[in-house]
Amino acid sequence: NAGVTQTPKFQVLKTGQSMTLQCAQDMNHEYMSWYRQDPGMGLRLIHYSVGAGITDQGEVPNGYNVSRSTTEDFPLRLLSAAPSQTSVYFCASSYSLTNTGELFFGEGSRLTVL
Amino acid sequence: TQLLEQSPQFLSIQEGENLTVYCNSSSVFSSLQWYRQEPGEGPVLLVTVVTGGEVKKLKRLTFQFGDARKDSSLHITAAQPGDTGLYLCAGGAALGSQGNLIFGKGTKLSVKP
Repeated sequence: NAGVTQTPKFQVLKTGQSMTLQCAQDMNHEYMSWYRQDPGMGLRLIHYSVGAGITDQGEVPNGYNVSRSTTEDFPLRLLSAAPSQTSVYFCASSYSLTNTGELFFGEGSRLTVL
Repeated sequence: TQLLEQSPQFLSIQEGENLTVYCNSSSVFSSLQWYRQEPGEGPVLLVTVVTGGEVKKLKRLTFQFGDARKDSSLHITAAQPGDTGLYLCAGGAALGSQGNLIFGKGTKLSVKP
């Protein structure tokens, strides 16, 4: 079972470059989200979606864009990368739209911005 | 702003020892989840507690939600090297969506053989 798949696993960018982190889930989950994880900061929510065509901002949305054209896919776009965006990014999905439902995480994408 | 404080931040113990990690807040949460994250992987859910005073057991792990729903603890009995990882608590606001789930900063546990 694939679950939540993130690509790429590792990426190095130069300041100002743009890129897209891909996330796909095969569990037919309505809820999908992106988190970033930094040392000593825990997981912080960037953007989330409760269904195709619906997205909303999380705690740290600046510098990131998302779209949700299908139930399965939820890409995260960095428009102009900055060193402050160096982090490990996790995509997560859930069958539940409420906060008691289990979040299923991908394996993470480690991004370095030089 | 709701915050979740986890303690200790780091814990290094020998195999066979018992340990407790804590997740505290000044705010009330309607639910509390615990996740474990191993190096190079995403977090995996261990348990969800929703009732004040609730205790759940998962093999050698015991989870408790405080009576006032402001705190939670995770107790591991006879720790094993396989318990090594980052333990994260996550709190949900009342009637909240997944977008309102707040994560603590984690407790990094190392169990030495």
